[in-house]
Amino acid sequence: DGGITQSPKYLFRKEGQNVTLSCEQNLNHDAMYWYRQDPGQGLRLIYYSQIVNDFQKGDIAEGYSVSREKKESFPLTVTSAQKNPTAFYLCASKRTGYIHQETQYFGPGTRLLVL
Amino acid sequence: GDSVTQMEGPVTLSEEAFLTINCTYTATGYPSLFWYVQYPGEGLQLLLKATKADDKGSNKGFEATYRKETTSFHLEKGSVQVSDSAVYFCALSRAGGTSYGKLTFGQGTILTVHP
Repeated sequence: DGGITQSPKYLFRKEGQNVTLSCEQNLNHDAMYWYRQDPGQGLRLIYYSQIVNDFQKGDIAEGYSVSREKKESFPLTVTSAQKNPTAFYLCASKRTGYIHQETQYFGPGTRLLVL
Repeated sequence: GDSVTQMEGPVTLSEEAFLTINCTYTATGYPSLFWYVQYPGEGLQLLLKATKADDKGSNKGFEATYRKETTSFHLEKGSVQVSDSAVYFCALSRAGGTSYGKLTFGQGTILTVHP
């Protein structure tokens, strides 16, 4: 079955530590996205990638970094510069980024907690 | 910039009641509109979508009509079930500029259905 997988389901971060959230898709989609979800605030875009080896900052990119070395993978690193990282992180993909009518598909999410 | 406003929640209904969740948007051009549903601890699933004015999206008994004159995309269901209890998100996506097909979300509406 095609889909998006995210790991781990829960992640704990210590003070000053960088952590990396995994996102893998086997849908053969070009575009991939990372969103952050906080209670009562909906989802906000962190980073997106239209194609391999290219990515752009979203609305709340500070304290985060990404890479897109393979079409199927778009890992997100939460750096120590992100002072309030506790949130639910969702990865998404769609066939092409520039066709706005197309559906974006979401993974099951990773919940990041600070120790 | 683009924005989506959903009715204040949470919404609590009895089984078989009629559901309406209001959604209005602000965006330039002709966006595509989406309703996503999120069950506890999970990612988002597409519920329905509409990509041009006067289109009606429908799925699993839910419906929403794209009304450009009122910039609205209200979600309705004639008879809710306990299994419909979830968080519902209205979202838009549009072409042009630096949008790159990103989704702009409302804050979400929590629906609880009692037997």
